[in-house]
Amino acid sequence: QVQLQESGPGLVKPSETLSLTCGVSGYPISNGYYWGWIRQPPGKGLEWIGSIYWTGNIYYNPSLKSRLNISVDTSKNQFSLKLSSVTAADTAVYYCVRPKEGFNIFFEHWGQGLLVTVSS
Amino acid sequence: EIVLTQSPGTLSLSPGERATLSCRASQSVASDSFAWYQQRPGQAPRLLIYSASFRATGIPDRFSGSGSGTDFTLTISRLEPEDFVVYYCQQYDSSPMYTFGQGTKLEIK
Repeated sequence: QVQLQESGPGLVKPSETLSLTCGVSGYPISNGYYWGWIRQPPGKGLEWIGSIYWTGNIYYNPSLKSRLNISVDTSKNQFSLKLSSVTAADTAVYYCVRPKEGFNIFFEHWGQGLLVTVSS
Repeated sequence: EIVLTQSPGTLSLSPGERATLSCRASQSVASDSFAWYQQRPGQAPRLLIYSASFRATGIPDRFSGSGSGTDFTLTISRLEPEDFVVYYCQQYDSSPMYTFGQGTKLEIK
């Protein structure tokens, strides 16, 4: 049973870099799938941030691409998100996700989510 | 970018009734690239329907999906109390890009 767990600071100052890690258990990242990040501002809808394959192939949301870096560490079975120059608009619950078995486009496995607040 | 518009924003019904939720895309979406999610308060979304009409693992058969092209529908045949939460549609295109609808809140009348 694959499990995902987000970790990182819950408070980030404006203009700084938001850094999160998703630890994966129950499934080796190197076995496949695009591992992704999705966020949800408080009381609002869902936004796909980006996805990474274990080989390092990455897809980014074009609206965030200039500030975004997603990486993978197969030795630790985890992947990470860095979002630079954050503003209050980046305040959200951040989820790490893995697609459904046999697919790469439907998000079946989710972490519990981590609320990140951007505030001074 | 394909925009998904869900309607209604809020749907008020009673337990036992039938719910019909709509999602309209700004361009045609491949059926095998379309999904529905359910989100309970304080929880991560849960995949309900994938490829427009296939129920995900463990999803009761009162949930069904249909549609093609630009119009997709999620139907809940007989509402249970736990169904009164928020539902999102999602599509994938080959940009690649994933987009979600803004959500429909199902509330008890």
